[in-house]
Amino acid sequence: KAGVTQTPRYLIKTRGQQVTLSCSPISGHRSVSWYQQTPGQGLQFLFEYFSETQRNKGNFPGRFSGRQFSNSRSEMNVSTLELGDSALYLCASSPLEGGGSDTQYFGPGTRLTVL
Amino acid sequence: GENVEQHPSTLSVQEGDSAVIKCTYSDSASNYFPWYKQELGKRPQLIIDIRSNVGEKKDQRIAVTLNKTAKHFSLHITETQPEDSAVYFCAASKGGSYIPTFGRGTSLIVHP
Repeated sequence: KAGVTQTPRYLIKTRGQQVTLSCSPISGHRSVSWYQQTPGQGLQFLFEYFSETQRNKGNFPGRFSGRQFSNSRSEMNVSTLELGDSALYLCASSPLEGGGSDTQYFGPGTRLTVL
Repeated sequence: GENVEQHPSTLSVQEGDSAVIKCTYSDSASNYFPWYKQELGKRPQLIIDIRSNVGEKKDQRIAVTLNKTAKHFSLHITETQPEDSAVYFCAASKGGSYIPTFGRGTSLIVHP
């Protein structure tokens, strides 16, 4: 099976702009989670979608939003970008019920730089 | 919610030595503990996991131990090799629809 894919791989934006990142999970996986990774902060959980519904949410401001489509592909959107949003954004998919007890498979990430 | 502490943040060893990374968790209901390895510029990948009904699990040079009473678990790498150099993340989860909580990561450097 093809792995988790993310597009684009690199993005450069300026403060105040918005950005949309895309994630295609492994075929058959219904759970998609998003993480923000910055040096020294590890993997910060953003949100998780399961069957087109946001099932879990981390402690990020409302500028961060997401959605999942019927084919399980997911997008995340960040509005009014700030310098601190510069990070590697990773998505991960899990099979079946997903969430905690299933292995999470990560995508290669999207490197977002905000100038 | 769950809180996972991971130590050390950086670990430097000589090739052939053993390396141990420790994590503690706060939620006694957590029952699934995966470990991920992230090489520079690459995605995190699962290397081993353990569930709460098991005290130890081994896979070649890698082993994970779990102490449910003390709420801590550890990753052990024996006979380290330069290709083991990476950032290692532990995580804890209650399973089901709960998302794993990750530790902050340990940067392992293996000197040839």
